[in-house]
Amino acid sequence: DAKTTQPNSMESNEEEPVHLPCNHSTISGTDYIHWYRQLPSQGPEYVIHGLTSNVNNRMASLAIAEDRKSSTLILHRATLRDAAVYYCILRDIAGNNRKLIWGLGTSLAVNP
Amino acid sequence: EAGVTQFPSHSVIEKGQTVTLRCDPISGHDNLYWYRRVMGKEIKFLLHFVKESKQDESGMPNNRFLAERTGGTYSTLKVQPAELEDSGVYFCASSQQGAINEKLFFGSGTQLSVL
Repeated sequence: DAKTTQPNSMESNEEEPVHLPCNHSTISGTDYIHWYRQLPSQGPEYVIHGLTSNVNNRMASLAIAEDRKSSTLILHRATLRDAAVYYCILRDIAGNNRKLIWGLGTSLAVNP
Repeated sequence: EAGVTQFPSHSVIEKGQTVTLRCDPISGHDNLYWYRRVMGKEIKFLLHFVKESKQDESGMPNNRFLAERTGGTYSTLKVQPAELEDSGVYFCASSQQGAINEKLFFGSGTQLSVL
């Protein structure tokens, strides 16, 4: 079962920031927080990941709560191409288990 | 650089027939994963190859599914005989070996419809 909870859907306007929340209250010390997104008719695409500190890359920023029980993916200026389903996934780096356990994600709609 | 390629993009078969899906990972990627999404459900892990070896096949639904990766390059996933509940989108992903938190690169998937 997925270990994360996300809203089913969110809506944003083009060129505005978007904050996508994720709750993971049962996170363990060896769980990394990964975000992937899936655009229509495409396979999932890696967005960002982090452990404790906030992370930034060219696609997005990841803000992680101090207790690590929640995180927020931030798209600084949403574009129409950002309309996708966003998945927050915990990945345990301990042991050899490398599989991703997916939830239903948040479907993001971007209005022009 | 070419991405992960899956073939065919769509397949429509009748119950009881056999279908083989193919995945060509990014060159040099030792990790290869198969995932599946059944309509309305979450994406589910099927199995993980490291080169030609099956590292984890805990997600394979039953013995009608056979995955191979001969030579550690491309992989095939065969469903024989196909059942109605096998319909869904099958995704393949690859990643470099060695990184603790390797980034997975996914193909566009194969839409399988079993009638």
